[in-house]
Amino acid sequence: KAGVTQTPRYLIKTRGQQVTLSCSPISGHRSVSWYQQTPGQGLQFLFEYFSETQRNKGNFPGRFSGRQFSNSRSEMNVSTLELGDSALYLCASSLVGVSNYEQYFGPGTRLTVT
Amino acid sequence: TQLLEQSPQFLSIQEGENLTVYCNSSSVFSSLQWYRQEPGEGPVLLVTVVTGGEVKKLKRLTFQFGDARKDSSLHITAAQPGDTGLYLCAGVGNAGKSTFGDGTTLTVKP
Repeated sequence: KAGVTQTPRYLIKTRGQQVTLSCSPISGHRSVSWYQQTPGQGLQFLFEYFSETQRNKGNFPGRFSGRQFSNSRSEMNVSTLELGDSALYLCASSLVGVSNYEQYFGPGTRLTVT
Repeated sequence: TQLLEQSPQFLSIQEGENLTVYCNSSSVFSSLQWYRQEPGEGPVLLVTVVTGGEVKKLKRLTFQFGDARKDSSLHITAAQPGDTGLYLCAGVGNAGKSTFGDGTTLTVKP
C-alpha cells in the first residue's frame, strides 16, 4: 500500500504571496491532519479534516486554511506569507475509529519564505 | 490545553550504551504514541500504548505507559548509530486530537 505523499517537496516563496500544498493519504484513510514543524516551536497542529469537514483546529491565524476532497486528498493554503511561515509542513493520515488515531506521516513540504 | 514535556531535549551517547527518554504531562490521554523522525523525513510511528501500566517491547526498544496515563518512557538498550534521530511522543486526547512533545534529539556515536 502506498504511503502518504506530499507535493511539492520544496517550495520557495516571497513575503506576501500565497501557497497551496497538497497531500494524498494512504488508501482507505479518511482523516488527514496538517502540522507545522519548526526548530523553535516543534510540531504544531494546524487542523484535521475528516469526510471533507474540518473536525479539529489548532491555534493558527486565519491565513492558514485547508480543505479535503471526496477522495480524501487534502490541500492546505497559506495566504499573505510571512517570514515566520518558513517551516516543514507535514501531513498525516489515519484510519479513524479502529487505530487509536495512529498517524502516518508524509515526507513533508519544506517551505522557505524570503 | 494539553501539554507534553519531553526530556532530555538532547542526548549524545556512545554505541552500546543504554538510554531513557521521558514524556510527561499533567493531562490524561486515551493513548500515547512514539515516533522517530530522521532529517528530511516525516515522523514514523514506532508504537502506541493504550492501557495504564502497559509495557511494549520492540526489539531493543521498551515503551511504558504510566499507570495514570499521563506519562510515558522509551528505553533503548545497547544503542546503535541507526537509532540516531528525533524521538517524539504524542498524546491522543478527546476527539482524537494529538498533542506532540518537543522531541528528544538522540545522537549515537560509533
